[in-house]
Formats: sequence, structure tokens, C-alpha cells
Amino acid sequence: EIVLTQSPGTLSLSPGERATLSCRASQSVPSKYLAWYQQKPGQAPRLLIYSVSNRATGTPDRFSGSGSETDFTLTIARLEPEDFAVYYCQHYDSSPPYTFGQGTKLEIK
Amino acid sequence: EVQLVESGGGVVQPGGSLRLSCAASGFIFSDHFMDWVRQTPGKGLEWVGRSKNRGHNYITEYAASVRDRFIIYRDDSRNSLHLQMRGLKSEDMAVYYCVVWQAGVASWGQGTLVTVSS
Repeated sequence: EIVLTQSPGTLSLSPGERATLSCRASQSVPSKYLAWYQQKPGQAPRLLIYSVSNRATGTPDRFSGSGSETDFTLTIARLEPEDFAVYYCQHYDSSPPYTFGQGTKLEIK
Repeated sequence: EVQLVESGGGVVQPGGSLRLSCAASGFIFSDHFMDWVRQTPGKGLEWVGRSKNRGHNYITEYAASVRDRFIIYRDDSRNSLHLQMRGLKSEDMAVYYCVVWQAGVASWGQGTLVTVSS
């Protein structure tokens, strides 16, 4: 089982700042099957990034994903008020179980 | 537009059974992998299982925590996905989401709440 560890658990930043969220895998993620989701209270998760670095339809270009093998990063270039939420990474194919990280809460400082 | 609507959630006693359903529209259901994912109130996400498509022989995969208790099946003729849950435990209490994968892109339903309580 691939264990995904996200850090930090909570990130406190101000609008306009840059956010860097980390997702570390216990073993190499097959074929770049790594996704990032955003979840706001009372809502289902929304896909932001798939295949490590591809933005899903509707994802603003201030969001970018990078990384390989076991180390992945979600970067939000300039935080907007609507970006404050919980973010999860997931490896999603080839090698079940398709685990999620425990999440990073991005809160307003 | 992809739409996934889950139903069947409710209150069930420990050891009981429940069947969840997911009605799909806006895409060719038979072509795609479908997942169930759950989220314990106030906590993180847990992948429950996957139903692969006809091209992959309808293979199902499960998380260890539910294997032997939960069964995923699909009805391509009715564009529906189901999760039959047996032997429910308190730790199964969660919001259950239906997810479709299209070329590596996931779309989620709004979820249905399962409460396990005596």
C-alpha cells in the first residue's frame, strides 16, 4: 500500500501570498497517477490537478502541480480568498488501494 | 455535463446491511471506471473500492477495511453503480461518494450519509 503523507497539516497564509503544499509517498507512484483535490466545508472534493501537473477543467492557472516518484507539490501562486480550504492528494491507478493523504488545511492568517 | 447522484444512505444498526446507489448521466457510463470513496465526518477521505469497465472484465478492487463485507456492482444498462454493505460497523459511518474516472479526470457526486447506530 502506498502511504501518502501531506505537510504541513495546517498552513496559515494571507491572500496574495504563495502557498506550497507537499505530498510524500512511501513508494514511487506508478505512471504519474497523482491527483490533488480541494474541499470546502459541506462540499464534495473537487479535482484540481491530475497526472501530477495537469490542471482539470476550470482550475485557475495560479494552481500548479509538480514532482515525481515520491515527492509532489501543489503550488498556489497568489492566494485568493476562495482558495482557503482543505487540500488532498491521491494516487489513483495501477496499484490499489488508491489512497489519499490526510489533508492540508489552508487557513487565512 | 457529468452528474452523479448517490442515494440509499440512512441509519442502520451495527451488524446491519445497506445498499447505496449512484445514478449517472452525462457520459457513457459503460466506458469508465467507477469508485466509491467515503469520508468520516470531520475527517479525511478513504477510498472504498472500484468497479472497472467491461473492457477490463468488470474487475472490482476493494480497500482491506471493507473487503469481504462490501460488494460493488454496476448495471451498465441503467447507468447505475451500487455498493452493497453488510456487517456494518461504527467505523463505516461516513458520507459515501460516487466517483467517475474519465481519462484520468475524476468527477464526484455530492454524497450520501450512512449512520451506524443502535
